[in-house]
Amino acid sequence: GQNIDQPTEMTATEGAIVQINCTYQTSGFNGLFWYQQHAGEAPTFLSYNVLDGLEEKGRFSSFLSRSKGYSYLLLKELQMKDSASYLCAVLYSSASKIIFGSGTRLSIRP
Amino acid sequence: NAGVTQTPKFRVLKTGQSMTLLCAQDMNHEYMYWYRQDPGMGLRLIHYSVGEGTTAKGEVPDGYNVSRLKKQNFLLGLESAAPSQTSVYFCASISRQGYQETQYFGPGTRLLVL
Repeated sequence: GQNIDQPTEMTATEGAIVQINCTYQTSGFNGLFWYQQHAGEAPTFLSYNVLDGLEEKGRFSSFLSRSKGYSYLLLKELQMKDSASYLCAVLYSSASKIIFGSGTRLSIRP
Repeated sequence: NAGVTQTPKFRVLKTGQSMTLLCAQDMNHEYMYWYRQDPGMGLRLIHYSVGEGTTAKGEVPDGYNVSRLKKQNFLLGLESAAPSQTSVYFCASISRQGYQETQYFGPGTRLLVL
């Protein structure tokens, strides 16, 4: 199997920091995507990690540990518009499959 | 660039009817994907293609067929629709530049099977 696990729901406060974790099976792993999806809309690309470490893009950062099968998305200075689902997806190189986790629904409170 | 487009945006079918969903991209991408998304859930891979003339099964291929006769188009067919196929269908294509990959999604097709 290619179980990709992330928390179902999270709540955070405006202006704070939140970390959304994702774990996956490492066999055949090539890279990991993070997406943001607002209700009723298509997913939008946030990041793609291939190498270990942290990549920062403005308020959003993504971390990868290939050996541990672990990634997280870090959102800083949270804004109300960050309320959305965040999807973790893994590219498996053996067949170029991209498999998604079930998504984490993030709610931001004032 | 129009990016990734999907036709139609919304459709209602009766059980047993057939239909084809069209995905088109004008970015010259080799890799294309069809997903379905059910309420409160993530995306599940139906079929995908790594180039013109090729297709492969994903996680939930049963009840669907696909074709990639032209590089820019990826068609998803339902031969005999069932209520369980009520879902939102997303198409995506991938841009590959060295190690960097970016996946672009179409706006989705909402399908209701009665």
